[in-house]
Amino acid sequence: GAGVSQSPRYKVTKRGQDVTLRCDPISSHATLYWYQQALGQGPEFLTYFNYEAQPDKSGLPSDRFSAERPEGSISTLTIQRTEQRDSAMYRCASSPTSGSSGANVLTFGAGSRLTVL
Amino acid sequence: AQSVTQLGSHVSVSEGALVLLRCNYSSSVPPYLFWYVQYPNQGLQLLLKYTTGATLVKGINGFEAEFKKSETSFHLTKPSAHMSDAAEYFCAVSIWGKLQFGAGTQVVVTP
Repeated sequence: GAGVSQSPRYKVTKRGQDVTLRCDPISSHATLYWYQQALGQGPEFLTYFNYEAQPDKSGLPSDRFSAERPEGSISTLTIQRTEQRDSAMYRCASSPTSGSSGANVLTFGAGSRLTVL
Repeated sequence: AQSVTQLGSHVSVSEGALVLLRCNYSSSVPPYLFWYVQYPNQGLQLLLKYTTGATLVKGINGFEAEFKKSETSFHLTKPSAHMSDAAEYFCAVSIWGKLQFGAGTQVVVTP
């Protein structure tokens, strides 16, 4: 697509439920990133993919968080057994170049705002 | 280890006045530095970046930033603020492709 598309834009869920967020990157982009942004904070790195490979998931806060990109395009971020502290904006970004290049320019989606009650 | 500090979570500036947003970084290797802007209900957009070469970097919408290694700073400036500059601005440092962001500075422009 022309830009990075994320869905849903807003998700309200009850504590303990599982949620899945979706990211559709720019079609030519090799690398896809997930970031978590709490209110009043900058985005925090969660994980990234080079095509379908996931070289770095060091930012995932717990084993309740997982991400996939099975065909090297669309990605999902799943949070199991959600907790109130998971409430945040989840941002996806993509880049045309390899994830290990420090000069990567990331194109961000508008984000998915998750509220856990 | 690397980190980014943005001084001031909120800045108010009059229309037509200088915009100055401060960013200091720490990095164990030569850094790649970025400024991103976030408008309401939109994704972060790249304003400008420093990788190598000229230390004064010009970006979109009249913004520029200067990399000062001796001060470990990458402050963002615009000579004359416009109402459309009201947004949140994030400084970021990158190493091996992972961006680490500052906490952001909210800019309010008053008539």
